[in-house]
Amino acid sequence: NAGVTQTPKFRVLKTGQSMTLLCAQDMNHEYMYWYRQDPGMGLRLIHYSVGEGTTAKGEVPDGYNVSRLKKQNFLLGLESAAPSQTSVYFCASSYSTGNTQYFGPGTRLTVL
Amino acid sequence: KQEVTQIPAALSVPEGENLVLNCSFTDSAIYNLQWFRQDPGKGLTSLLLIQSSQREQTSGRLNASLDKSSGRSTLYIAASQPGDSATYLCAVGSNFGNEKLTFGTGTRLTIIP
Repeated sequence: NAGVTQTPKFRVLKTGQSMTLLCAQDMNHEYMYWYRQDPGMGLRLIHYSVGEGTTAKGEVPDGYNVSRLKKQNFLLGLESAAPSQTSVYFCASSYSTGNTQYFGPGTRLTVL
Repeated sequence: KQEVTQIPAALSVPEGENLVLNCSFTDSAIYNLQWFRQDPGKGLTSLLLIQSSQREQTSGRLNASLDKSSGRSTLYIAASQPGDSATYLCAVGSNFGNEKLTFGTGTRLTIIP
């Protein structure tokens, strides 16, 4: 039982490049989330999903897109990376609303 | 807009002491409150989840309390150990469920052997 896994762990991009972060969970959770964590700021919700095939915007969605084609996977895409997107990205999942969220180990992204 | 504050940003205490970490929030209409632990370079680990109807939750040496009317929560750690050293984050779930957790910036705790 791996819990929540994220791929890759580290990535360096140049401004304007694109990439996709993959999150996978094996707990059969309905809800999945993408957060970013920046120094001096709390974690901020980017996008979330309440079930397969659904997505919704969080607090800071601009510049990101997501997809939930399979229940166990939640993808976060950056179409044209900007230095302001340098951050640590965390994926999380939960069984339902109001339940504990389980976090992945994070992806450290640097945009030059 | 919900705002969550954790003061102090850092705390050092000798091993064996009991300690309290604080969390305050501006909007009392919350769904739940969670305490997480984050080790350097790692993800978050959930410690305790308190529903809005509850006053406290306990797990081992940890006890979390919730006072919605005053917008406060505390995390009490008994008999602290060096392994307790980490950053502790408080997160508040909105009144519509915890799709929208609002996080504090955390308290970095160091237990001195």
